[in-house]
Amino acid sequence: NAGVTQTPKFRILKIGQSMTLQCAQDMNHNYMYWYRQDPGMGLKLIYYSVGAGITDKGEVPNGYNVSRSTTEDFPLRLELAAPSQTSVYFCASRQMEREKLFFGSGTQLSVL
Amino acid sequence: QKEVEQNSGPLSVPEGAIASLNCTYSDRVSQSFFWYRQYSGKSPELIMFIYSNGDKEDGRFTAQLNKASQYVSLLIRDSQPSDSATYLCAVNMSGGRIPGTYKYIFGTGTRLKVLA
Repeated sequence: NAGVTQTPKFRILKIGQSMTLQCAQDMNHNYMYWYRQDPGMGLKLIYYSVGAGITDKGEVPNGYNVSRSTTEDFPLRLELAAPSQTSVYFCASRQMEREKLFFGSGTQLSVL
Repeated sequence: QKEVEQNSGPLSVPEGAIASLNCTYSDRVSQSFFWYRQYSGKSPELIMFIYSNGDKEDGRFTAQLNKASQYVSLLIRDSQPSDSATYLCAVNMSGGRIPGTYKYIFGTGTRLKVLA
């Protein structure tokens, strides 16, 4: 099993550009999450999903969109990138409510 | 009020001492509580979880939960320089748009430095 795979690992965007951060897991997990982590800070929840076709907003959803058409994939879309979206983005998954999160290795995004 | 609060530190302790990390949460109906460790430039990794009031021990780590006070703590005994990292408290919270589901909310983390 590869676990949780995120691509790309690094990306530089210009202000106003759009991009999609990819996340895939091969553990058949129901729950998937997107977090962002600013320097020296904790993780802030952007969006999460409890299964294919079911998503909900987290703490900081503005400027982002998600979709979940399959159990395996949970892409995060940035529209009209802004410097405030410069951060490290982590995708995570888990099976049930009481289980640990499995994290991807993160995507470091800079918006200049 | 933030949903999960931690002191950002840094918390400095000498090698061999006990490090005490604290966390408070706002949602009274939360049932699951987690401590993750994150080394610089790496992804978080789970070190402890606790569901019931009281203490739970795993090696050098002890998690403590007091639901009445909405308080979770992590004790690290015999602290080692390799324990130097950021410790993130996480709480599984209800209250989203989707009934019966849970958001997984993290605190800001406490940076621990163990001095050799």
